[in-house]
Formats: sequence, C-alpha cells, structure tokens
Amino acid sequence: DAGITQSPRHKVTETGTPVTLRCHQTENHRYMYWYRQDPGHGLRLIHYSYGVKDTDKGEVSDGYSVSRSKTEDFLLTLESATSSQTSVYFCAISDPTAETYEQYFGPGTRLTVT
Amino acid sequence: DAKTTQPPSMDCAEGRAANLPCNHSTISGNEYVYWYRQIHSQGPQYIIHGLKNNETNEMASLIITEDRKSSTLILPHATLRDTAVYYCIATIRAGSYQLTFGKGTKLSVIP
Repeated sequence: DAGITQSPRHKVTETGTPVTLRCHQTENHRYMYWYRQDPGHGLRLIHYSYGVKDTDKGEVSDGYSVSRSKTEDFLLTLESATSSQTSVYFCAISDPTAETYEQYFGPGTRLTVT
Repeated sequence: DAKTTQPPSMDCAEGRAANLPCNHSTISGNEYVYWYRQIHSQGPQYIIHGLKNNETNEMASLIITEDRKSSTLILPHATLRDTAVYYCIATIRAGSYQLTFGKGTKLSVIP
C-alpha cells in the first residue's frame, strides 16, 4: 500500500471553529489531492497541489483552503467550520511518471460539525 | 472528463464472474477508461485502466468496445471481499489530472 496517512481519523467540532486536516505521504509523489465524500455522492475534488507551494481549486473549494510547504504534507483548512462540511475527507497522491498514472488514496478522515 | 453511466447496483454469486458495464459515449480520443473500487468506507483503490485495447491484470479484465463508447469490467471469480462500489471514470493522463467520480455500481457478492 502507498504510504499515505491522514490525521486525525475522526474529529467532532463545533460550528465556527477552525479545523485543519493533515495528509502525509512517504512516496515523494508530486501531486496531492483533497476530496470529500457525502452520502449519495461520489468523491468530489476540493483542492489539489502540483508541487510545493503550488495549489489550485477543485469542484467544491468554497470554504476550504490548502497549503503545501513540503512535498510530503498537504494541509486542508476549514477556516470556520459549518454543518455542511460534515463529511468524509480523503487525501490522494499521484506520480505523473508512473505507468498506471493512478491515484492512491488515504484512509479518510470523518469530520462531524455540530 | 467524459460523463460515464453505470447501473446503480448488481448482484453476483460467489465464484462466478462479475461483469460491470459502463457507458461513456462522449469519450474523447485522448481519454482513458479507469476503474476504481471503494470497499465499505475505505479510500478508493485503483483496479485497471485502458485506452483502446482490452487489458488484464491480476485483479480484473477490461473490455473496451471498438467504438470506445462503452466498456465492461470483469472480475473472473468474484469473492465476498469484492463487495464494493465500483467507479468507471474517463480521464486524460496529463499533469495533475482530476478524477470525476459518479455514483458507481454497488456490487454485492452473494454466498
């Protein structure tokens, strides 16, 4: 399995509280992604990174910011959490030189905003 | 990415082949067909991909029609551990590509 960890794995927070989720990889892959998954939906891309300090928005980026200061870490921040951000968050990585060009996914973080 | 259409659910008897269809009639010439699966609440897992030719690996086979408008993922001998949601995705292979996940097919392998 690809070396991807997410922390925390579970979090309950209150509306209006800032929250930061961390994705850490040991594969030295260039690209990193944050997705969210809600019941009845597939995964939807929030933000992605194509290198250190290089990030861009995905399909559902409103209310989220990201940072990548090191190759191995990609942080997702909810500046002021809302109940609509209750979801399961998945981090993914990919290597553009790999033959399969696949994305490897982390175990997920379950976030509940009360 | 081209839109893909999959049946919402399918059943398969344990030990039999599971054939999961996917329609991607608007796929462009440079888009590959990728299959991922998600077991319970785990992160999605890559299965196989193809462009024009049929492909086989240790997990599955992928059959793509000659006009590339549809494909079928085949799990040759389904086991209970293959119960999962299977996603068919059409995407280019360039840079920090985005995967657009639909709702997939929920495959239930029945003992």
